[in-house]
Formats: sequence, C-alpha cells, structure tokens
Amino acid sequence: IAGITQAPTSQILAAGRRMTLRCTQDMRHNAMYWYRQDLGLGLRLIHYSNTAGTTGKGEVPDGYSVSRANTDDFPLTLASAVPSQTSVYFCASSDKVTDTQYFGPGTRLTVL
Amino acid sequence: GQNIDQPTEMTATEGAIVQINCTYQTSGFNGLFWYQQHAGEAPTFLSYNVLDGLEEKGRFSSFLSRSKGYSYLLLKELQMKDSASYLCAGVDSNYQLIWGAGTKLIIKP
Repeated sequence: IAGITQAPTSQILAAGRRMTLRCTQDMRHNAMYWYRQDLGLGLRLIHYSNTAGTTGKGEVPDGYSVSRANTDDFPLTLASAVPSQTSVYFCASSDKVTDTQYFGPGTRLTVL
Repeated sequence: GQNIDQPTEMTATEGAIVQINCTYQTSGFNGLFWYQQHAGEAPTFLSYNVLDGLEEKGRFSSFLSRSKGYSYLLLKELQMKDSASYLCAGVDSNYQLIWGAGTKLIIKP
C-alpha cells in the first residue's frame, strides 16, 4: 500500500513557467489538501477538497489552482511561477474532514 | 485572529524527559493535533486531543486544557531518533488545521 505519493520529488523551475504538482492517494480518502511549508512558518493551507468534484480555497490560494476529478488524484497547478512560490509542498488526505490527515513525502520546488 | 505558539527550539539529553508547550487561539475549537516531522520528511501523526486531560501513548503523552488554550507534548525516555520537529495544530470551527511553526527538538547523548 503506497498511501500518498507526490511527483516530482523536487523541481527547479524558471519564473513564468507553468507547473503541475501531482498527488495520488490509494486510501479512498474523501478529503485532500495542499500545504506549503516555509522555514520559520507553520504549514499553510493552499487549497482543499472535501470530496471528489469539490474544491475550496485555503489560507494562501493566490497563484495556485486545483482540480478533483476523482477520489484518488488532486493536482496543484502554478499557472505562472514566481520566486515567492519556492517552498516545500505537501499533499495530505483524510477520510473525513474531522479525521487525522496523512501526508505525502513532499515536493521541493525552487523557482528562479 | 488565529494563532498557534510553540517554542522554536529545545535541547534535551538522551534518556531524559522533555515537555513541548503549545498555546492556541482559534475561531472555534475542534481539537488539537501533534505531529512529528524528521528533517526532509513528511509530518507523521502523533496524537489528537479534544477533551481536557492527558492521553498517554507509549513514551509520548499529550495534554489539553481547553479553558487555558494550552497543550503540551511530553516525551519520556528520550532516544536519539526523537530528534525532530514537533508540530502543534489546532482545529478551527471549519475543521481546518491551524499550524504552529514547529519546535525543533535536539537530543544530546
């Protein structure tokens, strides 16, 4: 059982380029989340999805978009990357929004 | 506003006991999580408290006081592998997690 996988593991990206971070879970969890983690700051929620077909904005959604076409996949897209989006991105999932969240291994993104 | 406060860094000795404190301010309250995060890895779940009191799970215990907006994580019989960051997260009225910046715990032999 893989749990949650993320791809790529790391990426260096030129500013202005479009990038999609992939997240897939095999636990049939209803809820999925995207966070960014920056040094000295707590995890910050970018977008979330309580169930397939629905998405919502978190604390820092600007510059990011998501889709939830099915239960397993929750890709995060940066339409036009900027250096301030340099961060470690974690995808997480939970069976219900009230349940424990389980995290993927993360994607380290550097925007130059 | 919503806020989670925890110390930035703590140092302890192998075999000893350490207590990591967390104070929280959230709009509504639906519990508090503790996660462990080793450097370069994902956070992993340690505990969840929603009622006042102490919950013990092996060498780790977590305490919650809702009236004081306060929680702590107690680690006993410290091992070198416990060197990690410990993240406190409060659950707000929308069931979103509000995260602290984490406490880096350094264990010395």
